[in-house]
Amino acid sequence: QVQLVESGGGVVQPGRSLRLSCVGSGFTVRRYALHWVRQAPGKGLEWVAVMSYDGSKKYYADSVKGRFTFSRDNSNNTLYLHMNSLRDEDTAVYYCARDLGAGDYIFHALALWGQGTMVTVSS
Amino acid sequence: QTVVTQEPSLTVSPGGTVTLTCASGTGAVTSGYYANWFQQKPGQAPRALIYNTNNKHSWTPARFSGSLLGDKAALTLSGVQPEDEAEYYCLLYYGGALNYVFGTGTKVTVL
Repeated sequence: QVQLVESGGGVVQPGRSLRLSCVGSGFTVRRYALHWVRQAPGKGLEWVAVMSYDGSKKYYADSVKGRFTFSRDNSNNTLYLHMNSLRDEDTAVYYCARDLGAGDYIFHALALWGQGTMVTVSS
Repeated sequence: QTVVTQEPSLTVSPGGTVTLTCASGTGAVTSGYYANWFQQKPGQAPRALIYNTNNKHSWTPARFSGSLLGDKAALTLSGVQPEDEAEYYCLLYYGGALNYVFGTGTKVTVL
């Protein structure tokens, strides 16, 4: 079954760090462009970051630039979102998502989504 | 920060038709924005419906269609079903440093 499963969420104090994981199954993550998207409680969706299929390009929303890092472990078919200097406004459900097509043609289509993992930043 | 604006809420009768729009704060939306549309129900992850303005995913019901309407991207629901009641989000691609922006979301009520 083709799916993404996030984990690693929890309660963390402001200024601390947290690492989210997203495991892909039924496909090879290194062949696809991949995204992180978040949603604060009761709010809309916010795009967070993208990594190109070969990992050579990574881009971030201004709200997380310099604090969040997107990485990938091909051997475990897993994506990571390393979140540093966390703020109250980073409280959200974090989703990973996969582009529609494999390889160097990017469809810019977030076709496959995980179920999300909740991060709460609170003292 | 680029703002992508959608209608906050729309109401439609079962079997009716409703059109949602997605406007960019930077100007007209064109095919180069690769507009996506997503449906989200309470407590669930978003589900992709439309990509690249008017392309349906294999799982997208035929009653959903995407287009450009004037200077906006649009999602039309025809023959609305009760299960279509949900929040709908558009997503635009702004190029450059692969920047994406979600719309503000439209709550569709089927009544």
